[in-house]
Amino acid sequence: DGGITQSPKYLFRKEGQNVTLSCEQNLNHDAMYWYRQDPGQGLRLIYYSQIVNDFQKGDIAEGYSVSREKKESFPLTVTSAQKNPTAFYLCASSIPGVGNQPQHFGDGTRLSIL
Amino acid sequence: AQSVTQPDIHITVSEGASLELRCNYSYGATPYLFWYVQSPGQGLQLLLKYFSGDTLVQGIKGFEAEFKRSQSSFNLRKPSVHWSDAAEYFCAVGPADGLTFGKGTHLIIQP
Repeated sequence: DGGITQSPKYLFRKEGQNVTLSCEQNLNHDAMYWYRQDPGQGLRLIYYSQIVNDFQKGDIAEGYSVSREKKESFPLTVTSAQKNPTAFYLCASSIPGVGNQPQHFGDGTRLSIL
Repeated sequence: AQSVTQPDIHITVSEGASLELRCNYSYGATPYLFWYVQSPGQGLQLLLKYFSGDTLVQGIKGFEAEFKRSQSSFNLRKPSVHWSDAAEYFCAVGPADGLTFGKGTHLIIQP
């Protein structure tokens, strides 16, 4: 079955450390997204990519970085510059330019600070 | 700019009772509208979507939603809830590559 795989499910970061969250999809979607979810805040867009080797900042990109070297993969790095990284991170994908087709989501990664 | 308001942060419903979750949106054109459900610690699952045609749309798990352009609303309904419906529900507006989500409604089911 096609879908989105996020790993790991749980991740712990020490102060001053960068960590990378993995997101892989086999839906053949060109567009991929990263969201951050905090209690009562809904989903906030961190970065998105409409096509390989191109990505744009979302609403809360500070302290995060991404790459899009392959269509299937869109890893997110949480850098030491992100002062409050504890959150639930969700990756999604969609068919760009087709507005009625929904975003598909992975099962998320929960990041905590040690 | 597009926006979504879900006025109810929490809703408590007795098992077997009917449910309506409210969603109001702001969008400059004919909207694409979606409802997603999230179980604790999981990703979001699509319940239903609307982009044109019949204003009453059917989704999975017995849910339906009605698009009312005059009220800028897209409320989610279910005639009889089950304990397994307890979850977080999100309304979203826009094309899929430019979605804006509401902050969610937490549904609690009482036995």
